[in-house]
Amino acid sequence: EAQVTQNPRYLITVTGKKLTVTCSQNMNHEYMSWYRQDPGLGLRQIYYSMNVEVTDKGDVPEGYKVSRKEKRNFPLILESPSPNQTSLYFCASSANRDIQYFGAGTRLSVL
Amino acid sequence: GQQLNQSPQSMFIQEGEDVSMNCTSSSIFNTWLWYKQDPGEGPVLLIALYKAGELTSNGRLTAQFGITRKDSFLNISASIPSDVGIYFCAGPVGNQFYFGTGTSLTVIP
Repeated sequence: EAQVTQNPRYLITVTGKKLTVTCSQNMNHEYMSWYRQDPGLGLRQIYYSMNVEVTDKGDVPEGYKVSRKEKRNFPLILESPSPNQTSLYFCASSANRDIQYFGAGTRLSVL
Repeated sequence: GQQLNQSPQSMFIQEGEDVSMNCTSSSIFNTWLWYKQDPGEGPVLLIALYKAGELTSNGRLTAQFGITRKDSFLNISASIPSDVGIYFCAGPVGNQFYFGTGTSLTVIP
């Protein structure tokens, strides 16, 4: 079954404690992306990757890092999380950037 | 970044009613996409539009690519309870991807 898998689904952490949210897709897609969703703001793109070892900033990259060492994986790293990064995060992948397939989301709370 | 404004922000309708929502941008888009997000899940693509003026249907859903390329519209006919969710317009600009602010739909049985 074609899917985008994010882990964990829920995460509660404290300010400053590094964390990684994993994302994996099995569709051999080149384009992958991370979004955060906040009430009233829709989804905003954090980082995207056009292919292996090619990543670029989206609209809200501050406080986040990503890596794309393999085509299927695109982890999101928060080196020093802060409360304003409390949000719902989505990973997505696409063959052509336009039509994106989303994971089920990771709800992060930073205390 | 790009701003995609959707209206209305929320809608409460009776089952069986038709629904209209729209999305406007300050910039031109060459592709418009409409996604639906069910509670607790990620967005799922409903309709993709690639040409100005294009009208595309998917079952009870019909979307239009505005002539100015700065807007798009989504209509849902004869709403049913499973239409509940948040509807987003979206589109790419260069290699980035932008989503609208969303329209939350509640269908009252």
